[in-house]
Amino acid sequence: EVQLLESGGGLVQPGGSLRLSCAASGFTFSSYAMSWVRQAPGKGLEWVSAISGSGGSTYYADSVKGRFTISRDNSKNTLYLQMNSLRAEDTAVYYCAKDLLGGGPGDSTLFDYWGQGTLVTVSS
Amino acid sequence: QSVLTQPPSVSGAPGQRVTISCTGSSSNIGAGYDVHWYQQLPGTAPKLLIYGNSNRPSGVPDRFSGSKSGTSASLAITGLQAEDEADYYCQSYDSSLSGPHWVFGGGTKLTVL
Repeated sequence: EVQLLESGGGLVQPGGSLRLSCAASGFTFSSYAMSWVRQAPGKGLEWVSAISGSGGSTYYADSVKGRFTISRDNSKNTLYLQMNSLRAEDTAVYYCAKDLLGGGPGDSTLFDYWGQGTLVTVSS
Repeated sequence: QSVLTQPPSVSGAPGQRVTISCTGSSSNIGAGYDVHWYQQLPGTAPKLLIYGNSNRPSGVPDRFSGSKSGTSASLAITGLQAEDEADYYCQSYDSSLSGPHWVFGGGTKLTVL
């Protein structure tokens, strides 16, 4: 059974940093691209960042480029999101999501499994 | 403002049919990229509902169907049931100038009357 378990969320002041983790199990982690998707309170879904199975390719939404860094440790089956220079508008539930297809990410990327999410609140 | 446009809300009575539209542009749906749909029940994570425009993952009832034409896609739900009340999101790929992006619609809240 595929499981994704996020952790690391919490309350942080504007300008602060936070690192999210997503522990994966139930599939060959290194074979699949992974993404972070966020949802601000009462709002829709927003793709944040993606990483290839090897970790060699990374992609970012314009809203977080230069501030967030996605990475993975395939030996630990864990995905990370390092968030720096946090802003109030980064307040959201952050989900990690697995790509349905092996390889990638690519133009066929879609998300077949999601974690339960971790809440990040940026406020003074 | 989302790259893919969905109606904020739709509603229907039990047993009825409803459709949810997802309108994109020439850099995403119109470029031939697939559309996928997710269902998000209140307080839960999104769940994959339709992939590759019209394919249902195992376990998704055949009351749910998807289609795509030109720069738009649609999700149809027939035989509405109370448990279908949820938010629905479309998703595709966008080959914008700033690099590859995966984009979602703004979401549509389905109310079962």
